Amino acid sequence: GAVVSQHPSWVICKSGTSVKIECRSLDFQATTMFWYRQFPKQSLMLMATSNEGSKATYEQGVEKDKFLINHASLTLSTLTVTSAHPEDSSFYICSARDRVRGNDQPQHFGDGTRLSIL
Amino acid sequence: KQEVTQIPAALSVPEGENLVLNCSFTDSAIYNLQWFRQDPGKGLTSLLLIQSSQREQTSGRLNASLDKSSGRSTLYIAASQPGDSATYLCGGDDKIIFGKGTRLHILP
Repeated sequence: GAVVSQHPSWVICKSGTSVKIECRSLDFQATTMFWYRQFPKQSLMLMATSNEGSKATYEQGVEKDKFLINHASLTLSTLTVTSAHPEDSSFYICSARDRVRGNDQPQHFGDGTRLSIL
Repeated sequence: KQEVTQIPAALSVPEGENLVLNCSFTDSAIYNLQWFRQDPGKGLTSLLLIQSSQREQTSGRLNASLDKSSGRSTLYIAASQPGDSATYLCGGDDKIIFGKGTRLHILP
C-alpha cells in the first residue's frame, strides 16, 4: 500500500540552527502534501498545504518565513524550520494522498519528526 | 471552517468490552471520513476510510459509520484488547482538521 516516509525521525540541535525535514511518498505521486505540528498531549494542528510546483498555503498564525516549504517534485516535500528556537520544539508530521487513483483514497501519514531545540 | 469534536475525551475500560467512540463535525459537506490511531510518540495509522458513497466500513473488530446529514461518525470496537490502547482521531477529505481525539486505555 501507499507509504509516506519522513526523515529524520529525531533531531536535536542548538538554538539558531535551521532544520530540514523531508516527507516522501514512496510508491505514489503526491501533488499535495500536508504538514502538521503536534505539541505534547495536544492534537495535530495543520500548518500548511504543500503544493507541487507552486507556493505552499499556510494556515492562519503560521509564519511562512519561519517554516519554509518546498515541494519540488511529485514525491518530495521539505519543511525547513529556520533559525529554530526552543519554542519550535515539537512533533512534526506530514501526510499525503494518492490522488491519481481517485478522490476516495486514504490519507497516509509519516511517522513524524521529533524536533528538540536546546 | 471545519471543527471536529470527539467524545469522550478519554476512556478507560476493562479488556473485552465493546466500545463506541464518537466524532462530530460542523461541515456536513465532508467528502469522506477516516479514522486513525496514534500511539504515544508515533505518527498516525489509518484504521478505516469511509468513502464518499459509503455509510459504513468494517475491518476486523472495528466498524465505523458515517452520517453526513447529522455530521457524525462513530467507531465501534468489539472485544477490546490492551493493544487497542491509543489515541483515536477522525477526520475527512484532503486537508484534515483534527479534533482532540479520544485517549483509550484498555485495562488488562
